[in-house]
Amino acid sequence: AQTVTQSQPEMSVQEAETVTLSCTYDTSESDYYLFWYKQPPSRQMILVIRQEAYKQQNATENRFSVNFQKAAKSFSLKISDSQLGDAAMYFCAYRSAGETSGSRLTFGEGTQLTVNP
Amino acid sequence: ETGVTQTPRHLVMGMTNKKSLKCEQHLGHNAMYWYKQSAKKPLELMFVYSLEERVENNSVPSRFSPECPNSSHLFLHLHTLQPEDSALYLCASSQETGRTSDTEAFFGQGTRLTVV
Repeated sequence: AQTVTQSQPEMSVQEAETVTLSCTYDTSESDYYLFWYKQPPSRQMILVIRQEAYKQQNATENRFSVNFQKAAKSFSLKISDSQLGDAAMYFCAYRSAGETSGSRLTFGEGTQLTVNP
Repeated sequence: ETGVTQTPRHLVMGMTNKKSLKCEQHLGHNAMYWYKQSAKKPLELMFVYSLEERVENNSVPSRFSPECPNSSHLFLHLHTLQPEDSALYLCASSQETGRTSDTEAFFGQGTRLTVV
């Protein structure tokens, strides 16, 4: 079974600065997908960024980028130019490439990000 | 605005009550899911429905009973719950295409359940 670990229960960052959230995972599979989801106080989970394990290039989405280290089974999220609206709980998630469904996800425990003005 | 709507947003129920959670998706997806989110624990996948058939039940107690009458609606019927069942219950949907790269999960805003 796969596991996802987020070792930082809480993080804080000053507005306009950069913060990195950590995620490690354990799997015996060679092909899979990794995700970062954001859950603001509204409670709706929103997809932030996705990485396919077979791609060496790190995914980027505007101010959000990942550092994917497949050998180390590490998948960190970097948020640049942090904004107050980035404050939320962030979840790292794993999905096997063998899954045809988008929602059979294994989640980490989450990291609560606070953005200070 | 969300394509997945859950009602009610909040629910308080006694251990002897029977209640139901409702989820509706407006995205034309063919698969729906229930997740449980407890404090300081990872989200746990409870049930998976694909094309209105239950395809996965992750060892969930029988006091939770899902129902999927059509591809747009999903219910979670609750009865004789325990205080430890208090949690945020999230519904999600996705389109199963047979190609994993095409799939993305869309979540509702959840029902905050408190069992007293």
